[in-house]
Amino acid sequence: DSGVTQTPKHLITATGQRVTLRCSPRSGDLSVYWYQQSLDQGLQFLIHYYNGEERAKGNILERFSAQQFPDLHSELNLSSLELGDSALYFCASSAYSGERETQYFGPGTRLLVL
Amino acid sequence: GESVGLHLPTLSVQEGDNSIINCAYSNSASDYFIWYKQESGKGPQFIIDIRSNMDKRQGQRVTVLLNKTVKHLSLQIAATQPGDSAVYFCAETDFNKFYFGSGTKLNVKP
Repeated sequence: DSGVTQTPKHLITATGQRVTLRCSPRSGDLSVYWYQQSLDQGLQFLIHYYNGEERAKGNILERFSAQQFPDLHSELNLSSLELGDSALYFCASSAYSGERETQYFGPGTRLLVL
Repeated sequence: GESVGLHLPTLSVQEGDNSIINCAYSNSASDYFIWYKQESGKGPQFIIDIRSNMDKRQGQRVTVLLNKTVKHLSLQIAATQPGDSAVYFCAETDFNKFYFGSGTKLNVKP
């Protein structure tokens, strides 16, 4: 158990809908990272937040957004969902913001868009 | 983004043998590399990392080798055990962004 929690574990929705994925980092960790893992694209970095502020953006679509709240939990919002958004979404946390910080991954949220 | 790729998608080894998983990266400016292990149904788990000013780093039963000349990274697992069966990813970092390879599946045969 990494100490990172993600909810929900599974999510089934329809095209065009909007969903919110939630991540609680390990106690004391200030950084949260979001990743998408699909069969054809592997693990893709989406976005990084540190202590409430966005630090880096990866391959995140404009239909997706994220935020980190004062209690350090983070939410990833996916809107206007398409079939291709079906994937595993992971969040990871680390103590600080340095790129050499060890990241601890949560168990993931499996999203299925029908 | 930068590309990080793997040479072998699947590797089968006998229990007790050593395993070598390879990874090629394209960004010569990357200065930090990480290996992750992902078991079925779980999130990636950190195994070992290496900075670009090193060419070798050892952990418990694992060794990472970095060859900056040819932009190649490898993970060596000694005395491979059934519990090592998983998908292994290499990753590189570039200004707080992280790029993962497509993964190599390691099958350990008893």
